[in-house]
Amino acid sequence: NAGVTQTPKFQVLKTGQSMTLQCAQDMNHEYMSWYRQDPGMGLRLIHYSVGAGITDQGEVPNGYNVSRSTTEDFPLRLLSAAPSQTSVYFCASSWGTGGRETQYFGPGTRLLVL
Amino acid sequence: EDQVTQSPEALRLQEGESSSLNCSYTVSGLRGLFWYRQDPGKGPEFLFTLYSAGEEKEKERLKATLTKKESFLHITAPKPEDSATYLCAVSTDSWGKLQFGAGTQVVVTP
Repeated sequence: NAGVTQTPKFQVLKTGQSMTLQCAQDMNHEYMSWYRQDPGMGLRLIHYSVGAGITDQGEVPNGYNVSRSTTEDFPLRLLSAAPSQTSVYFCASSWGTGGRETQYFGPGTRLLVL
Repeated sequence: EDQVTQSPEALRLQEGESSSLNCSYTVSGLRGLFWYRQDPGKGPEFLFTLYSAGEEKEKERLKATLTKKESFLHITAPKPEDSATYLCAVSTDSWGKLQFGAGTQVVVTP
């Protein structure tokens, strides 16, 4: 199993540009989520999904969109990038919900918005 | 408001010098407390999950403990390869949303 994979590894955008961060998992996990990590702060939840077709907002959802059409994929869309979205983005997955399951993280995407 | 605080922010150890990291939390209804290790430029790597006060988990030189208000990650006789940032996270609802502390950066020198 490849686990949780993310592409691209690094991206530079100009303010106002749009892009999609890709996340895929091959573990048949029901739950997937997106976090951002900024210096001096803990990881913060952006959006999460408890199954195909079901998504909800986390702590910092503004400026981001998600959808989940398959169990394997959970892309994160930036519609109009802003410098405040410069961060490292991590995707995670777990086999179920309930709050007790281990979440496994991908390697991250580093995003720089100029 | 739920809060997770890790201390110290940074820790420098000599090889073999044991120490402990703290994760204190004020949350309503803890479902699980998770410890992760993060190396520079990498994603968090799962270490332990603790569910109830009094529980302990151990793996090589690491031991995690849990009380009703805090968790400790004990590093016994650390080696340079234990250098990393250690992250603590709590889950308080049935949707699996994790709230993270800011992490403790550990550097172990030979």
